[in-house]
Amino acid sequence: GAVVSQHPSRVICKSGTSVKIECRSLDFQATTMFWYRQFPKQSLMLMATSNEGSKATYEQGVEKDKFLINHASLTLSTLTVTSAHPEDSSFYICSAFDRINTGELFFGEGSRLTVL
Amino acid sequence: DQQVKQNSPSLSVQEGRISILNCDYTNSMFDYFLWYKKYPAEGPTFLISISSIKDKNEDGRFTVFLNKSAKHLSLHIVPSQPGDSAVYFCAAGQGAQKLVFGQGTRLTINP
Repeated sequence: GAVVSQHPSRVICKSGTSVKIECRSLDFQATTMFWYRQFPKQSLMLMATSNEGSKATYEQGVEKDKFLINHASLTLSTLTVTSAHPEDSSFYICSAFDRINTGELFFGEGSRLTVL
Repeated sequence: DQQVKQNSPSLSVQEGRISILNCDYTNSMFDYFLWYKKYPAEGPTFLISISSIKDKNEDGRFTVFLNKSAKHLSLHIVPSQPGDSAVYFCAAGQGAQKLVFGQGTRLTINP
C-alpha cells in the first residue's frame, strides 16, 4: 500500500481562490519532504524542500508567496497555492524521505489542480 | 541547465526483447542514481537505484548500469513485458533526497 498519501487527488477551483494540498507519510516520520510540479510531457520539477519545524527552501524561480509550504508535523506537509491562476494548473507531487528505516524516497500519488 | 538528460523521448520494443533506456548527467557531485516508472496521473514508483561506488545493480528483470567516467547510466529490462509500458524517469542527486529528474522516456512494449 501507499506509504505517502496526497489529498486531494484532483481539485478544480476558480481563479483567485487558494487551494491546499496535503502530503502525509503513513508509515514513517519524515523530517524532509519535497514538492514537485510536472507540466504535460515534461519532467518533474523540484519546487521546494519542506523541512519540519522550519521554513521551506524554495528552488530558483519558484515564488514562495505563491506556493506556501508548511511542515507542521513529522508526517504532514501542505502546499497552498494562493490566488490561483489558470497557469498554476498542473500535476503536483510530493515525496517524503524515510531517513531512519529504509533510506528511501517515497512519492505520493500526485494531485491534479485545474484552475478555471 | 539540464543536469540530467534523457535524450530519447520514446522507445518501442517487442515483447520478450530487451529494453534499454539511457540517461546522461553533467554534475560530477551526483552520487546516487535512481530509475522511476510513472503512469499518467500517478506519482512515480521507485524501480531501482545505484550508488556511485557501484557500476551495476540488478533486481529481477531490471538492471541499472553506471558509467561514471562517461556520466551515463542505463536501465535494462529483460525480458520486456506489456505491463512495462510507462514513462521512465532517471533521477540523480547527492544522497537519496534532493533529486534532479530527466525528461522521461515513454516505453511502449508491443505484443
